[in-house]
Formats: sequence, C-alpha cells, structure tokens
Amino acid sequence: SQQGEEDPQALSIQEGENATMNCSYKTSINNLQWYRQNSGRGLVHLILIRSNEREKHSGRLRVTLDTSKKSSSLLITASRAADTASYFCLCGAGGTSYGKLTFGQGTILTVHP
Amino acid sequence: ETGVTQTPRHLVMGMTNKKSLKCEQHLGHNAMYWYKQSAKKPLELMFVYNFKEQTENNSVPSRFSPECPNSSHLFLHLHTLQPEDSALYLCASSQDITRIDEKLFFGSGTQLSVL
Repeated sequence: SQQGEEDPQALSIQEGENATMNCSYKTSINNLQWYRQNSGRGLVHLILIRSNEREKHSGRLRVTLDTSKKSSSLLITASRAADTASYFCLCGAGGTSYGKLTFGQGTILTVHP
Repeated sequence: ETGVTQTPRHLVMGMTNKKSLKCEQHLGHNAMYWYKQSAKKPLELMFVYNFKEQTENNSVPSRFSPECPNSSHLFLHLHTLQPEDSALYLCASSQDITRIDEKLFFGSGTQLSVL
C-alpha cells in the first residue's frame, strides 16, 4: 500500500507564524492529499494536488509537490489557534492500489494564542 | 457536518460483550471504509467495501466482522474483544475506489474502550 510519512512529528508555533510540514513517500502516485484531524474527531480533507501539478493554493494553505524527490509540503500561513490539530498526508495511487488508501502517523501542530 | 454519521460516539464494553458500530453516509457514495486509530500508531485501514462488495481485509482478526447491507450503511460487529482493541474507530466514504482523485469523507468516530 501507499503510505506517506509526515515530518516533523510535532510542531509548536505562535499564532501568526507560518507552519510547514512535510510528507515523503516511496512509490509513484497519482495525487497527494492532506487531511486535518481535531482531537478525537474524524479527518477532514483539506487539499489535493495531482502528480502533474507542482503547487496549489487554497485560502491560507499552500501545497507543493516534488515528484522527483517524492515529497510534498503543506504550508499554513498566518496560523491561528484553531489550526491546532493533527495533519496527515495520503498518497493516492491508481492501478491495483485502488482502495488501499493509508495514512502516515501525522504531524501534531500546536498553535499558541 | 461531513455527511457521514457514526453511532455511538462512545462505547464501553467488556471482553465478553457483543456490540455493533454503525456508519451511515448521505453523500451518494459507493465506497465505505473502516479505519482503526490507536494512540501513537498510524491509522490502520481495516476493511473496504465498494458497491457493497468487500475489496480489502487487512488481516483483521475475526473478532471484528464488517457488514455492508447497502452503499449507504456500514456496520462493524464486535465480539470477544481484547483491551488492546480500545481505539477510535473511524468510518469513511468516497465516491468509488476506482476513481483516481478519490477523496475520503470521515465520520466523527466511535471511541471504544474494552475493559
């Protein structure tokens, strides 16, 4: 199965600062997705970037993808206390990997007011 | 509200009990998933159903028994669980597992404690 590995495991910043977290993977992908999870809740889809895209924006989120390095980064600009959550990447691959969508351990982001 | 509803939100059960977790989606999706999230572990994909047919069973012990009577409902039947089965059980749905840009929609989960 495809599994991304997030880095760092934990990130602590002040409100207003930018937060950057990374995801690395090992095999080819069709897309890479980022999800957020508030404590004890389900995951929420944030953004999807396709393998032929290099950068994508959505509000305060900026995602980059470097398929040569097999890595992606998620940047949250001007962070807020409400951004405190765990963030996961998900590698979407086609072919026989359909239906085997697996997550890494995530990055725990804490934004201090 | 994601359109995926899980009940109950919390469940405490003894090792000899039988209980069921329920998931319902109102998104018109055809694929449904069970994930297990234990403390300090990655989310573990347990089962996948596509058009009511089970497509994945990731070596899950038989004390967990899934049921998908239709594309909108998914159950996880539990019996003779162990304390290490205590975890957050998450249900998700997506349009169809054969789509390339498949996005998952999650329920809020059932926090299960096995005593």
